[in-house]
Amino acid sequence: EPEVTQTPSHQVTQMGQEVILRCVPISNHLYFYWYRQILGQKVEFLVSFYNNEISEKSEIFDDQFSVERPDGSNFTLKIRSTKLEDSAMYFCASSEAGQGSYEQYFGPGTRLTVT
Amino acid sequence: LAKTTQPISMDSYEGQEVNITCSHNNIATNDYITWYQQFPSQGPRFIIQGYKTKVTNEVASLFIPADRKSSTLSLPRVSLSDTAVYYCLVGDTHNDMRFGAGTRLTVKP
Repeated sequence: EPEVTQTPSHQVTQMGQEVILRCVPISNHLYFYWYRQILGQKVEFLVSFYNNEISEKSEIFDDQFSVERPDGSNFTLKIRSTKLEDSAMYFCASSEAGQGSYEQYFGPGTRLTVT
Repeated sequence: LAKTTQPISMDSYEGQEVNITCSHNNIATNDYITWYQQFPSQGPRFIIQGYKTKVTNEVASLFIPADRKSSTLSLPRVSLSDTAVYYCLVGDTHNDMRFGAGTRLTVKP
């Protein structure tokens, strides 16, 4: 069964450093997403991406964040200058195109620890 | 975006049927109702989706009354491995899926 993959599984970085989280969505999917989940809290939507551009973003997704689909398979989330409060689990998800089917397939997540 | 309300937690025993109800009073005409399951340190996993009446798959059933202001996820004969957080989401586009706090289901032996 096809699945979304994410690398690395765990990233430790120092405050102020840039990090890039990588995702490989399911190959025939056209919608891509990033979510985060701070330990013990709910899953929070960050951004959705379709047709090589951001289609929606939340208030969390400020200028420190950016997304890119650098080639036909990868989808990345960059945090330019990490803060302690960026420590969280980051999930990538993808879904097929089409009206009426909004099943999102989530990856296993990247645990980001900012020290 | 339609706001959803679910119980914070529920307890059950192995072999029982579990029903988790979600309220979405301001659901819009085009909105679908989707349920996800999340285990600790894993990404959410799609369970079931519906628009009206009843939907059933190999994992669960989803009951939606005619007014669509609520929905009930039914898990038949739960086991210990069904212990997880269950989320109800309401939306009509690929961008509309917002997770609430979810319902933490604990299945006991």
